[in-house]
Amino acid sequence: TQLLEQSPQFLSIQEGENLTVYCNSSSVFSSLQWYRQEPGEGPVLLVTVVTGGEVKKLKRLTFQFGDARKDSSLHITAAQPGDTGLYLCAGAPTRGKLIFGQGTELSVKP
Amino acid sequence: ETGVTQSPTHLIKTRGQQVTLRCSSQSGHNTVSWYQQALGQGPQFIFQYYREEENGRGNFPPRFSGLQFPNYSSELNVNALELDDSALYLCASSLGRADYGYTFGSGTRLTVV
Repeated sequence: TQLLEQSPQFLSIQEGENLTVYCNSSSVFSSLQWYRQEPGEGPVLLVTVVTGGEVKKLKRLTFQFGDARKDSSLHITAAQPGDTGLYLCAGAPTRGKLIFGQGTELSVKP
Repeated sequence: ETGVTQSPTHLIKTRGQQVTLRCSSQSGHNTVSWYQQALGQGPQFIFQYYREEENGRGNFPPRFSGLQFPNYSSELNVNALELDDSALYLCASSLGRADYGYTFGSGTRLTVV
């Protein structure tokens, strides 16, 4: 069974601080995706990383895919209250369906 | 371009009853996946449909079943509801492979009492 472990599970920070969320697995994925979910809504796709070592930036968010395509990280610079939400990583196995980590609940206080 | 629409948004059922949840996929998407999400957890894969055929199933019992229609819309049926079935049920549509990313609906919140 392929698993994705996210850490930390909970993160509460002040506005303006930086943070990093990690997503790790012992399995190789053809791609890794990051989603953000707000209460009462479905997850919204932020980014897909496909190539080992790939780095993608989305405004203050930086996503990295590990060289071996087994792990990924999400770094947020100068967090804002609007960044509050559940961040989910999801892996696409070579043969299989998208599987999700357990999520990181981020709270950014003004 | 319309997104993924799920109905109903909320539902309360009694243990032992049966429920049908519905999903309209995003225009142009031919694959529908269903997920169960407990509060504060990541979504758990139930099954996927591609061109009206089941195309993979997660670790859920047979009382969870589904259908996909020619217009790519889908239904999730759950028989003999149990208290632990209370969760947010998410439908996601995609164009084939999971690599392309999924578009999720807002979900159906099911409460079993």
